[in-house]
Amino acid sequence: EIVLTQSPATLSLSPGETATLSCGASQTVSRSYLAWYQQKPGLAPRLLIYDTYNRAADIPDRFSGSGSGTDFTLTISGLEPEDFAVYYCQQYATSPPLTFGGGTKVEIK
Amino acid sequence: EVLLLESGGGLGQPGGSLRLSCAASGISTFRSYGVTWVRQAPGKGLEWVSSISDSATSTYYADSVKGRFTISRDHSKNTVHLQMNSLRAEDTAVYYCAKALWSSYHFYALDVWGRGTTVIVSS
Repeated sequence: EIVLTQSPATLSLSPGETATLSCGASQTVSRSYLAWYQQKPGLAPRLLIYDTYNRAADIPDRFSGSGSGTDFTLTISGLEPEDFAVYYCQQYATSPPLTFGGGTKVEIK
Repeated sequence: EVLLLESGGGLGQPGGSLRLSCAASGISTFRSYGVTWVRQAPGKGLEWVSSISDSATSTYYADSVKGRFTISRDHSKNTVHLQMNSLRAEDTAVYYCAKALWSSYHFYALDVWGRGTTVIVSS
């Protein structure tokens, strides 16, 4: 089972700043099969990024993904008010099980 | 627009059963996609529960629910079910169903999610 560790747990930033979220895997995530989701309180997760780099439909280009092997990053360039939320990474390379990271909360400073 | 709608949640007794359903609309090819159930305990993160392949010939379960939960699908009704038996307090969570981004993949990124249905296990 691939364990995903997200850091930091909480990121306090101001609108307009850049958020850099990390996701570390306990073993190599093959084929770059890693996704990122955004979740707001009371709502279902929303797919942002799949296959490490690819933005899902209707996702603004301020969201970008990068990484390979065991280290992955979600970057949000120029935080908008609606971007303050919890973000999860997920791997689907070695499944079952599908695994999620513990989440990073991006909060307003 | 593709929509998934979960139902069947509620209060379940420890040791009891509940049956969750996930109904798809706005998609004529739902049968071609793997479907996954993910749960979220109060104040916690996301936890994979179970997945079913497009053909329904393959099913997968988290260790925490194996032997207690059963996933199935009805292609004629564009619906996926999660039969939950031998309920435990730790099964208390919001349960989401979600479809795989690409057809024919048993596991992939999940691009469409339902709103979730709440399961509370308590006596």
